Amino acid sequence: DAGITQSPRHKVTETGTPVTLRCHQTENHRYMYWYRQDPGHGLRLIHYSYGVKDTDKGEVSDGYSVSRSKTEDFLLTLESATSSQTSVYFCATGDAYEQYFGPGTRLTVT
Amino acid sequence: KQEVTQIPAALSVPEGENLVLNCSFTDSAIYNLQWFRQDPGKGLTSLLLIQSSQREQTSGRLNASLDKSSGRSTLYIAASQPGDSATYLCAARGSNYKLTFGKGTLLTVNP
Repeated sequence: DAGITQSPRHKVTETGTPVTLRCHQTENHRYMYWYRQDPGHGLRLIHYSYGVKDTDKGEVSDGYSVSRSKTEDFLLTLESATSSQTSVYFCATGDAYEQYFGPGTRLTVT
Repeated sequence: KQEVTQIPAALSVPEGENLVLNCSFTDSAIYNLQWFRQDPGKGLTSLLLIQSSQREQTSGRLNASLDKSSGRSTLYIAASQPGDSATYLCAARGSNYKLTFGKGTLLTVNP
């Protein structure tokens, strides 16, 4: 385990509300990633970071934004949550070779 | 765009069998390939990582092979046990350090 924590672990929110998920790592890894996992789609990359304040979009970035002000923290924000964003969200960190995953956050948008 | 496919989607075997899980990818220009295990409601645990220059990696009862030219990787599990029951995911890493995942193989090992 690469010392990755995610908070909250579970959240229920209403459509239209903003939501922020936090990923915290203790491994000093350069790269950090946010994925969502949905039945039938597998794991899909939302956004990733290759350094402090350096971020880029993944394949399903619409409706999401990210920020990384410190090496150890990577925040994922849903500006206005929609029911289609109900999912399990995983954070991952990595070096040049491997990725390590956090325990996940189950988000339900009602 | 890289696409990763895993076959079969589900597999049920009796305890003690040797089994093979398959992973194929469309773009052979990969940096490495990683196999993960995911238990229900849990995160992903890395099992094996094969660099593009390697042909195989072994860890205990697990052996993963990589054939870049044909776009294939296999995960071999020897003497399967009920505790091996989980979803197995493969992921190909491109030069941009991003992983592309397959949808996984759900393995059930029956006592």
